[in-house]
Amino acid sequence: SQTIHQWPATLVQPVGSPLSLECTVEGTSNPNLYWYRQAAGRGLQLLFYSVGIGQISSEVPQNLSASRPQDRQFILSSKKLLLSDSGFYLCACDRGNQPQHFGDGTRLSIL
Amino acid sequence: SQQGEEDPQALSIQEGENATMNCSYKTSINNLQWYRQNSGRGLVHLILIRSNEREKHSGRLRVTLDTSKKSSSLLITASRAADTASYFCATGLTNDYKLSFGAGTTVTVRA
Repeated sequence: SQTIHQWPATLVQPVGSPLSLECTVEGTSNPNLYWYRQAAGRGLQLLFYSVGIGQISSEVPQNLSASRPQDRQFILSSKKLLLSDSGFYLCACDRGNQPQHFGDGTRLSIL
Repeated sequence: SQQGEEDPQALSIQEGENATMNCSYKTSINNLQWYRQNSGRGLVHLILIRSNEREKHSGRLRVTLDTSKKSSSLLITASRAADTASYFCATGLTNDYKLSFGAGTTVTVRA
């Protein structure tokens, strides 16, 4: 079965600093990959998704970017973090119209 | 954008009681999925019900889908303390593998 690894689990960054969150997938090949952000007590907002290496679609305009350098690696980045980038970031994968599998997330706090 | 909306936002029940939560959505769907999220963790898939299905069971979980009313319900029978979590519905559209998540129902099971 699919396993998603996300790191770090917790991150505290100053405003204006860069960001790189990594997600790797085991147990499947050629998955669809997703980055979500979850505000406290809220649902999930889809940020980016990817159907293949180098293919990235953005759902909302924002201060973040995503890359997929390898089939099972998905990276979320920012050049300069804003206070509004705080949140719980979740990576997920699936294979077509199948249930999504989630990592355990990264809690990002911006000071 | 979030298509699914869960109701109620929060639910507190005694161990052994049943918990019912509802999800309403706006457009025609291919499938509807329910996920559970324990505090500070990623989401775990519970059940997927397709648009041509009306009811599905998995252990103590029962999901119904009424496409004419654009609504679904999740019933947890004989609740346990371990069922304490947030529950999210997510809708999948035809020809679109992305999911749209609701804001969730927070369930607290008291011992």
